[in-house]
Amino acid sequence: SQTIHQWPATLVQPVGSPLSLECTVEGTSNPNLYWYRQAAGRGLQLLFYSVGIGQISSEVPQNLSASRPQDRQFILSSKKLLLSDSGFYLCAWSDGMNTEAFFGQGTRLTVV
Amino acid sequence: AQSVTQPDIHITVSEGASLELRCNYSYGATPYLFWYVQSPGQGLQLLLKYFSGDTLVQGIKGFEAEFKRSQSSFNLRKPSVHWSDAAEYFCAVGTGGGADGLTFGKGTHLIIQP
Repeated sequence: SQTIHQWPATLVQPVGSPLSLECTVEGTSNPNLYWYRQAAGRGLQLLFYSVGIGQISSEVPQNLSASRPQDRQFILSSKKLLLSDSGFYLCAWSDGMNTEAFFGQGTRLTVV
Repeated sequence: AQSVTQPDIHITVSEGASLELRCNYSYGATPYLFWYVQSPGQGLQLLLKYFSGDTLVQGIKGFEAEFKRSQSSFNLRKPSVHWSDAAEYFCAVGTGGGADGLTFGKGTHLIIQP
C-alpha cells in the first residue's frame, strides 16, 4: 500500500533563517506531488505541484521554492523565512489518473 | 477557474443528531468532488468522492454525500453524529485527470455537544 511521510511535524524558526521540509511517498511510482499551506480560516492554498522529477509548477509567487530531486521525494524550501511564512504545510500525492489526493500529517511551522 | 464555497464556518450539533454540511462549487464541466476530514494538527483524510454515476455516494465513518448538478452542490450528511466526528471538514473540487491539484473550500468546523 502507499504511504506518505512528511517531516518534521513541528518547527520553530527565526525570521531570516532557511527552511527545508521533506516529503516522501512509498508504494507508488511517478506520483503527482503537491505542497499546500493552510492558514487559520483560509482553507488550503496550493503552493507547488510536480508531475515528474525536476518539474515544478508554482501556483502562488512567494518566498518559497520546491524541488523534486527523486521520483518520490518533494522538498519545500526557503532561503530566508518571513513571519508570514508561518502556517501548517501539507504534502500530498495523487496517482495522476484521477485527482484524489492523499495527504501527509503536516508540518506546523512557526516563524518567530 | 473552479471554486468551492462552504457557507458555514462553524456548526454545532448534539451527539446523536443528524448532520448536513453544505458545499457549493463552481466549475464549467462535470466536476470531481471530494470531502475530507481533518483532526487538529493532522493531515486530511478522504471521506468520500464523486466522479460519475450514482449521485449519492457512501463514504467512510457513516458519511454520505449527494451530488446535485442543478444546485451545484455536494452536501455531506450523517444520520447520527458521534463525539469523535468533531473536526474540520473540507469540500474540494478537481478538474478530472489533471495534475494541477484540488481546489478546497475554507472548511467547516464541526462541534459536537454532549
